[in-house]
Amino acid sequence: GENVEQHPSTLSVQEGDSAVIKCTYSDSASNYFPWYKQELGKRPQLIIDIRSNVGEKKDQRIAVTLNKTAKHFSLHITETQPEDSAVYFCAASLGASGSARQLTFGSGTQLTVLP
Amino acid sequence: NAGVMQNPRHLVRRRGQEARLRCSPMKGHSHVYWYRQLPEEGLKFMVYLQKENIIDESGMPKERFSAEFPKEGPSILRIQQVVRGDSAAYFCASSLNGVGDSPLHFGNGTRLTVT
Repeated sequence: GENVEQHPSTLSVQEGDSAVIKCTYSDSASNYFPWYKQELGKRPQLIIDIRSNVGEKKDQRIAVTLNKTAKHFSLHITETQPEDSAVYFCAASLGASGSARQLTFGSGTQLTVLP
Repeated sequence: NAGVMQNPRHLVRRRGQEARLRCSPMKGHSHVYWYRQLPEEGLKFMVYLQKENIIDESGMPKERFSAEFPKEGPSILRIQQVVRGDSAAYFCASSLNGVGDSPLHFGNGTRLTVT
């Protein structure tokens, strides 16, 4: 089955700096890659996703890049703010047309934005 | 549009008792997923259901755990004869057309504590 590895496990940045979180996946057939943000004691919330036919996607201060050849994808947060502090999870899936129609998650990155 | 509703939010059971966790998907969603999250860990897939059908239960322990999503009513995750190791947060998620075709939306989770 799919295996997703995520690095780093913890990340501290100064407010206003950028943060980058990286994930690798094992199944070259995976074609859908979402990112979730989870604040303490709350539910995971989808913040951005990308499909394998796209190399990069941006939404205001958040961007995701995908390198299918290397089987890795990254989350970039620019101009970080204290409210960006949370645990971020990457995930991968074969999508609805694949045999593994569920998300496999990375182990999470605790991002702390220092004021 | 109400989100994914899970209840109870917190559930305390003594070892050997049964735990029943309920999930009502978002309106119009017929794809339901259950995930388990241990403290400071990622989300582990348990089971994927559509109305009246289990599509993928590869992540669910063979013994003591069962799930259903009846034609009417919420999806139920049932854990019989609970043990301390079952203590975790259990998240339900739903999507309109299945992962990859439409986003996965999570509920607020049920935090199960086994004493």
